[in-house]
Parts: sequence; C-alpha cells; structure tokens
Amino acid sequence: GNSVTQMEGPVTLSEEAFLTINCTYTATGYPSLFWYVQYPGEGLQLLLKATKADDKGSNKGFEATYRKETTSFHLEKGSVQVSDSAVYFCALSRNQFYFGTGTSLTVIP
Amino acid sequence: SAVISQKPSRDICQRGTSLTIQCQVDSQVTMMFWYRQQPGQSLTLIATANQGSEATYESGFVIDKFPISRPNLTFSTLTVSNMSPEDSSIYLCSVVSGSYSYNEQFFGPGTRLTVL
Repeated sequence: GNSVTQMEGPVTLSEEAFLTINCTYTATGYPSLFWYVQYPGEGLQLLLKATKADDKGSNKGFEATYRKETTSFHLEKGSVQVSDSAVYFCALSRNQFYFGTGTSLTVIP
Repeated sequence: SAVISQKPSRDICQRGTSLTIQCQVDSQVTMMFWYRQQPGQSLTLIATANQGSEATYESGFVIDKFPISRPNLTFSTLTVSNMSPEDSSIYLCSVVSGSYSYNEQFFGPGTRLTVL
C-alpha cells in the first residue's frame, strides 16, 4: 500500500540553525511528493513538490529532493527563522493523497 | 490555484447535536475532499465529494454520521451528526487542480470543532 513515514517531533531549533525533517514513503508506481506547512491557526499550504525521481522542489529557502533509490523526500533549510515555526507534513499523491503525521517545528530567537 | 473558504471557522457544540460545515471554492472543481485532523495528529480523509453523485467514504466513516452534499462545482457541505466529544477536530475541505496525481491540493482554513 501507500504510506508516508515522517520524523517525529517536536523539533526545537535556534534561529539560523540548519533544519532537516526526514520523510520516507512506500508507494506502488511513481507517486508525486509534497511538503505542506500549517502555521498556527491556519489551514495547510503547499510548500514544495516534486513529481519524478531526482526532481528538487524548493520554496522560501526550503528544499527537498525526490530520491527513488532511498524512497525519501527529506525537507531541508539552511538557516531557519522564527517565522518558520509551524507543523510540516510530508505527503504523496497516488490515486489519493497520503499524509505523514506531521512534525512540529519551533524556532527560538 | 484555488481559494477556499469555510464556514464556520470554529464552533463549540453540545453532545448529540449536529453541525453543518460549508466549503466554497472560487472556481469550478470536479473533486472536493473532506478531511479530519484530530488534535496533534495528521489528516484523515473522510470522503470524496463529486458533483452529481454520491460521496465516496473512506473506511471508518459512514454517510449517516457525515452526510455530504455537493450541489454544484463550487460548493459542498459536511454535516457532523449526533456529535460526541470524540468528534472534536479540525475539519478541512480541499480541492485538487488539473490532473489529480501531479498537481497540488488546496486546502480551506479549516473548521475547528469542539464538542462538550
């Protein structure tokens, strides 16, 4: 079946620290992969996506590379800001969307 | 892209009552989805609502508990019936653009429901 396994949180980082949130997936065929972000009190917003192997999605300083050989789509950012504090969801699309459990990130000044 | 609004944004309800949540999209879409996000957890798909046909429910969700209407291509409602405290969640409406698998899913801001 299709599923997403996401690094458990919560994660707390100091401002300007490096961020990695791990995401691995199980899927039949060739899914599209996504990272969504949910800021406090808001709905989910698409952060970035990749539709085929070796694609790199990027947005707002965040990056993730679709690695078919390791079935991974890890989210990275070189220097986090307080405004990045949110919950991050990894997801795949294969006939329907499958979401990971979410990773809460808190960035402290 | 699609802009989605939901009403109400939040509500506090008594056990045994029902609440209808409205979802409005600024463009015509074929597929609309309803999700539940329980406190501290990920999203769980409740059902897919296509205009002109019965909604398709996921395992663990039934029409009697979560009736859905889809009267046109821009609007849908989800009713949470005979509520209990276990129904306290955020309920999210979403749509997809273009080809289902390769485009993003757009979400409404959610309806935060508390059942006492």
